[in-house]
Amino acid sequence: DAKTTQPPSMDCAEGRAANLPCNHSTISGNEYVYWYRQIHSQGPQYIIHGLKNNETNEMASLIITEDRKSSTLILPHATLRDTAVYYCIVRVAGRSNFGNEKLTFGTGTRLTIIP
Amino acid sequence: NAGVTQTPKFQVLKTGQSMTLQCAQDMNHNSMYWYRQDPGMGLRLIYYSASEGTTDKGEVPNGYNVSRLNKREFSLRLESAAPSQTSVYFCASSEQGWNQPQHFGDGTRLSIL
Repeated sequence: DAKTTQPPSMDCAEGRAANLPCNHSTISGNEYVYWYRQIHSQGPQYIIHGLKNNETNEMASLIITEDRKSSTLILPHATLRDTAVYYCIVRVAGRSNFGNEKLTFGTGTRLTIIP
Repeated sequence: NAGVTQTPKFQVLKTGQSMTLQCAQDMNHNSMYWYRQDPGMGLRLIYYSASEGTTDKGEVPNGYNVSRLNKREFSLRLESAAPSQTSVYFCASSEQGWNQPQHFGDGTRLSIL
């Protein structure tokens, strides 16, 4: 299983872009990078995922390096509601014939948005 | 559209009591999951169900049983609760496939005294 390394905490000023790094140097060629976040007392929320191309959706952008050994989640205009723990996850396939998916959550990055 | 609904939201049990945590999803997803989250730790997979009629063990299945009642519902049972099972339990669901995101409920906070 490819493991991920994230800084334990980060601060970002409200209105600025929040850039959250993740290292996954042992990632395999067919493994996706996923980002989830968990706001206090709530269930994890899916943000974005990608394989090797950069991805963007209404919540965030995901930049994956060409060698795929690291990635950055970008929240373009952070708000106080973005304060949460952010998890970078490399997707591990279970029984591939049934497409079972297991998410292995680490301890993530606690992002605090400063007013 | 409620997404993933978990009941109850809070529960206190005594050691040795049994309990079933309920989970239902209305997104017509094939796959469902149960995780637990302990303070300061990430989520750990207890059991999962790739599709209706199948269940498999995750990382930490000991002390738990599951039932995939139908496509919508996936329950988690503690037959004889222990203090070590005090945790927040999350249910999730997803489409089947390699790159389908999981959608989570808001959790059940369970305390075993």
